[in-house]
Amino acid sequence: EPEVTQTPSHQVTQMGQEVILRCVPISNHLYFYWYRQILGQKVEFLVSFYNNEISEKSEIFDDQFSVERPDGSNFTLKIRSTKLEDSAMYFCASRGAQGRSQPQHFGDGTRLSIL
Amino acid sequence: AQTVTQSQPEMSVQEAETVTLSCTYDTSESDYYLFWYKQPPSRQMILVIRQEAYKQQNATENRFSVNFQKAAKSFSLKISDSQLGDAAMYFCATYTIYNQGGKLIFGQGTELSVKP
Repeated sequence: EPEVTQTPSHQVTQMGQEVILRCVPISNHLYFYWYRQILGQKVEFLVSFYNNEISEKSEIFDDQFSVERPDGSNFTLKIRSTKLEDSAMYFCASRGAQGRSQPQHFGDGTRLSIL
Repeated sequence: AQTVTQSQPEMSVQEAETVTLSCTYDTSESDYYLFWYKQPPSRQMILVIRQEAYKQQNATENRFSVNFQKAAKSFSLKISDSQLGDAAMYFCATYTIYNQGGKLIFGQGTELSVKP
């Protein structure tokens, strides 16, 4: 079964550094998402992306965050200047276009640790 | 704003028994979808079951079924014949369409332990 792939599985970065989290969505999917889960808390929506532009973003997704689909397969989340509070699990998800009830399929996540 | 509430932080069930996880939600949307996701210790997010709000029939998926009460805005998950591999965090989530994308709103989760 096709799956969403995220790399790296664990990223350790110094505070203030830029970090790029990478995702390869399922190949025929058209809707892409990033979610965040701080340890012990619920999963929170960050941003949705469709047709090469952001569809919606949450309050968490401020100017330090950006997303990009640089080619036909990758979907990236960039944090420009990381803060301690950015430490979390980041999940990428994708959804097909075959009807709105299609579920979002999640990757295994990238654990981001900011030192 | 949409909210999802899971009032049971932790639940426990004996292997082979049945357990029900509760979820309530609040939305002003008329068209929405409901999901249960499972998150084992590896922290993957695995889809368990989904329900379209316009459907009256409760969804079932093997040992997993839901009790969807639209008027009460309740969406509980029943796990029958519980197995050790069912031990995980379970998240209830709603989904509506905004513009082209849509987003999932998650509850706080219920940690399910299964006793042998």
